[in-house]
Amino acid sequence: NAGVTQTPKFRVLKTGQSMTLLCAQDMNHEYMYWYRQDPGMGLRLIHYSVGEGTTAKGEVPDGYNVSRLKKQNFLLGLESAAPSQTSVYFCASTRGAMRLNTEAFFGQGTRLTVV
Amino acid sequence: SQQGEEDPQALSIQEGENATMNCSYKTSINNLQWYRQNSGRGLVHLILIRSNEREKHSGRLRVTLDTSKKSSSLLITASRAADTASYFCARGGATNKLIFGTGTLLAVQP
Repeated sequence: NAGVTQTPKFRVLKTGQSMTLLCAQDMNHEYMYWYRQDPGMGLRLIHYSVGEGTTAKGEVPDGYNVSRLKKQNFLLGLESAAPSQTSVYFCASTRGAMRLNTEAFFGQGTRLTVV
Repeated sequence: SQQGEEDPQALSIQEGENATMNCSYKTSINNLQWYRQNSGRGLVHLILIRSNEREKHSGRLRVTLDTSKKSSSLLITASRAADTASYFCARGGATNKLIFGTGTLLAVQP
């Protein structure tokens, strides 16, 4: 059982380049999330999705776009990468909403460096 | 910021000792969750406590929740070197978001 899989695991981008991070889950979860983790900042929510075809902004959405065309996949896009987007990105999924007391399952992360 | 605060930021103890980490938050919650992150890895769920619960146990873990003080604590008893990791609290509210604290880095010396 793979759980939550993120690709790629590492990437170096030049400023201004674009890229897409892919998150795939095989647990039939409704909710998916993208976080970034920076030293001393913990995890900050970028965008999330409450179901196929839906997306919503989190705490730090600027500079990112997302899409959830299929229930099992949640894509995070950087249209024009900036050095401030150097971070470790984590995808997570949950069976249902937080008000239903559900736990999150995380991918192994994508380490992105923008030079 | 909606993030909660955790203290201490870092904690170093000897194997066999107990480790206590605290988490404070600002808004109402439906649940408070604790996660562990080993260096360079993803987060792993440890325990969830609901807003109407005051204490919960899971193996060597004990979590308490005081909603009047908007705080929670995680106690790891009889710590082991393998417990060395970062520990995060996360609050699940009436919204669809799971919001994390800044984490406590625990080092257990053998």
